[in-house]
Amino acid sequence: AQKVTQAQTEISVVEKEDVTLDCVYETRDTTYYLFWYKQPPSGELVFLIRRNSFDEQNEISGRYSWNFQKSTSSFNFTITASQVVDSAVYFCALSLIIQGAQKLVFGQGTRLTINP
Amino acid sequence: DVKVTQSSRYLVKRTGEKVFLECVQDMDHENMFWYRQDPGLGLRLIYFSYDVKMKEKGDIPEGYSVSREKKERFSLILESASTNQTSMYLCASRIRGGFNYGYTFGSGTRLTVV
Repeated sequence: AQKVTQAQTEISVVEKEDVTLDCVYETRDTTYYLFWYKQPPSGELVFLIRRNSFDEQNEISGRYSWNFQKSTSSFNFTITASQVVDSAVYFCALSLIIQGAQKLVFGQGTRLTINP
Repeated sequence: DVKVTQSSRYLVKRTGEKVFLECVQDMDHENMFWYRQDPGLGLRLIYFSYDVKMKEKGDIPEGYSVSREKKERFSLILESASTNQTSMYLCASRIRGGFNYGYTFGSGTRLTVV
């Protein structure tokens, strides 16, 4: 089965705390991509990062970092020194080829609230 | 700046009405997608289209149909709206190609069926 699980439905922290959003995926494919998207209150999904299945290097972009571990099928997202503007719903997604077309399979989403 | 535009931000329709949700992209993308978003369920794929006049069912196509007469426009149709179709609907597009091409999403249409 192709599946993405974000076990944390909601997280609430105080500003400047570090927070990690978990993502676990299932796929039998050897070639796939993983994504993180942010959905602010405006509704539009904003692309954050893409990682392919052959590249297990961790990535850091400013206050954001991602930890990809194939051994545990996880692609976790950490925000360091969180800010109120980080409040949003975050989605992890798995990209697969199904019926000859690439499709995104999304997790349930994690609603992150950063309190001042 | 590339854009996916959904014609309505909020819609309220009555049970049994035929509803059209419109999506237009200005990026000359071949692939277009319709998702619905519900709390606790994430985004689920309703229909997608490889290219003009092509369409494929996604994971939850029941109660929906689509139309892609022009490359830039992908319409989602609720033939007879029901209250369980109250949801947020998101359109996305991407260029045809390898895995590494990303998706661009619209801002969503929040549909309420009363």
